[in-house]
Amino acid sequence: ETGVTQTPRHLVMGMTNKKSLKCEQHLGHNAMYWYKQSAKKPLELMFVYSLEERVENNSVPSRFSPECPNSSHLFLHLHTLQPEDSALYLCASSQDIGRWATYEQYFGPGTRLTVT
Amino acid sequence: AQKVTQAQTEISVVEKEDVTLDCVYETRDTTYYLFWYKQPPSGELVFLIRRNSFDEQNEISGRYSWNFQKSTSSFNFTITASQVVDSAVYFCALSGTYSGAGSYQLTFGKGTKLSVIP
Repeated sequence: ETGVTQTPRHLVMGMTNKKSLKCEQHLGHNAMYWYKQSAKKPLELMFVYSLEERVENNSVPSRFSPECPNSSHLFLHLHTLQPEDSALYLCASSQDIGRWATYEQYFGPGTRLTVT
Repeated sequence: AQKVTQAQTEISVVEKEDVTLDCVYETRDTTYYLFWYKQPPSGELVFLIRRNSFDEQNEISGRYSWNFQKSTSSFNFTITASQVVDSAVYFCALSGTYSGAGSYQLTFGKGTKLSVIP
C-alpha cells in the first residue's frame, strides 16, 4: 500500500449504530487530519493530530470521536449520527503540522457515509 | 478572518482548449501560503502546488501554470491544451495565522468543477 488509505470506502448506517472509519498513512508523516466534505459546504477540518496528540478540534459534535494510536493510524468513531452527517470523510497526512498549516497534505480517497 | 473565493462553480471546455481557474483570497497575514488541490472523481484530493506569500514568481509545470499576484490577491491556475483526464474539481486553499479556530487549518474555496469534453 502506498500513500493514504481509508476503509471502508462506503458506509451506510442507521442513526443508532456505532461504526468506525479507519485511515492509514504509509508516508512516514507526523500529522494526520480528518475532514468532512458535504455537498453544500467547503471542506471542513474536524480534527488534527500531531505525533498522536490531538492539537485541534473544530467544535465537532461529540458523536464523532477520533483516535490516533500511532502516527500511521487514525480512526473516527461514529455513534448516534444524524442524517445531516452524511458526507464524504477524508483523511489526510502531512510531514508535520508546521506553523500556519504550511506543509502540503496528502489525502486518502475518503469514506462516503450515508446515515439513514 | 480569511476567505478564499472561487467564483467559477463549473466550467466546461473542449479538449485541447486552454482554461484558467480563478482564485481570489483575503487575509490579514503578511506571511501565508497558497495551495491548489485537484479532486478527481475517485475522491482523494491531490496536491498540485504550494506558494508562499513572498514568492510572486509564476510557475509552470508541464501543462499547468500558476499566476500569483499579491496586488490583486489572486492565485490563478491555467491548464494548457486541456485533456479529458483534467476533469475534476479544483480547490484553492490558504493558510495563515488567522485561518480560523486554530493555526493548523487551511481555508478552502468551494471548488471549481472542470469538465473537459472530448
